[in-house]
Amino acid sequence: DSGVTQTPKHLITATGQRVTLRCSPRSGDLSVYWYQQSLDQGLQFLIHYYNGEERAKGNILERFSAQQFPDLHSELNLSSLELGDSALYFCASSPRLGSQYFGPGTRLTVT
Amino acid sequence: AQSVTQLDSQVPVFEEAPVELRCNYSSSVSVYLFWYVQYPNQGLQLLLKYLSGSTLVKSINGFEAEFNKSQTSFHLRKPSVHISDTAEYFCAVTEIQGGSEKLVFGKGTKLTVNP
Repeated sequence: DSGVTQTPKHLITATGQRVTLRCSPRSGDLSVYWYQQSLDQGLQFLIHYYNGEERAKGNILERFSAQQFPDLHSELNLSSLELGDSALYFCASSPRLGSQYFGPGTRLTVT
Repeated sequence: AQSVTQLDSQVPVFEEAPVELRCNYSSSVSVYLFWYVQYPNQGLQLLLKYLSGSTLVKSINGFEAEFNKSQTSFHLRKPSVHISDTAEYFCAVTEIQGGSEKLVFGKGTKLTVNP
């Protein structure tokens, strides 16, 4: 158990819909990273937040957005969903450079 | 930009045999290197990492990896595998920019240990 929690574990929704994935980092970790794991693209970095502020963006679509709240939990919002958005979405929290602890992931299925 | 190449997408071995999972990365500057393991239907678990110091790093369950700067490699080895080592293994390198550390992953190697 990494100490990082993600909800929900599974999510099934239809094309065109909007969903929100939630991540609670390990106690005391200020950084939250989001990654997407798909069969086509493998594991890809999406976005990084540090203490409420966006620090870096990766291959994140404009239809996707994220935020980190004052209690340090983070949400990833995915809108206008397409079949190709079906994937595992991981968040990771980090106390310092060189240490990222991954949550169990949310499996999103778009039908 | 960094890139990671895992040369083998699948590696089948017999129980108690040795195994090597190969990983090469692109950068010539200082990097942090990682191996993560993903068991079926589970998340990513950190197996071992190289940040600095000794180039040989070890995990608690018998895996080891050696950082080779000249060959830009970080191969993972285990002298004797168990059925329970069956999983997918991902090599990753950090890309640090402006205080943000993103992980760049290889495509993964599926290790299957057969009895």
